[in-house]
Amino acid sequence: EVQLVESGGGLVQPGGSLRLSCAASGFTYSSYAMSWVRQAPGKGLEWVSGISGSAGSTYYADSVKGRFTISRDNSKNTLYVQMNSLRAEDTAVYYCAKEDSSGYWIFANWGQGTLVTVSS
Amino acid sequence: DIQMTQSPSSLSASVGDRVTITCRASQSISSYLNWYQQKPGKAPKLLIYAASSLQSGVPSRFSGSRSGTDFTLTISSLQPEDFATYYCQQSYSTPLGFGQGTRLEIK
Repeated sequence: EVQLVESGGGLVQPGGSLRLSCAASGFTYSSYAMSWVRQAPGKGLEWVSGISGSAGSTYYADSVKGRFTISRDNSKNTLYVQMNSLRAEDTAVYYCAKEDSSGYWIFANWGQGTLVTVSS
Repeated sequence: DIQMTQSPSSLSASVGDRVTITCRASQSISSYLNWYQQKPGKAPKLLIYAASSLQSGVPSRFSGSRSGTDFTLTISSLQPEDFATYYCQQSYSTPLGFGQGTRLEIK
């Protein structure tokens, strides 16, 4: 069974940094691209960033480019996102999502989410 | 970037109704369009991928179709557990994008 467990969320001041992790199990981790998707309180879904299975390619939404860095450790089956220069508008639940075998960037498996609150 | 415009933003319907939600892409995305259902406090659930393929385990009352850059999610006969928010998502190119969501409420 595929399991994705996020951690690392919390309260951070504007301008601060935070690193989220997503521990994966139940599948051959290095074979699948992974993404971070966020949802601000009461709002819709926003794709944040994605990374290929080999970590050779990374992709970002314009809203986080230059501030967030996605990475993965295939030896630890773990996905990360380093978030710097955080703003109030980055406040959201952050989900990690696994690419489905049915095609690129289709998300059939999601974590439970971790809440990031950016506030002074 | 490709923009996804979803309509309506909210919808009231009754159990047993047939419901249609539409998503329009700002440019051609072929059939790289997926539909998700989300209930409050939960992660999204994949319903339909590649415009019309039913995800394993999803009831057959859900279906998807494509006409050019217009995509439709249809629920043939609403069940109580279907009241949720629905999102479309393009998987044609990065940056990936979701529609704004359609909140389906009980009438």
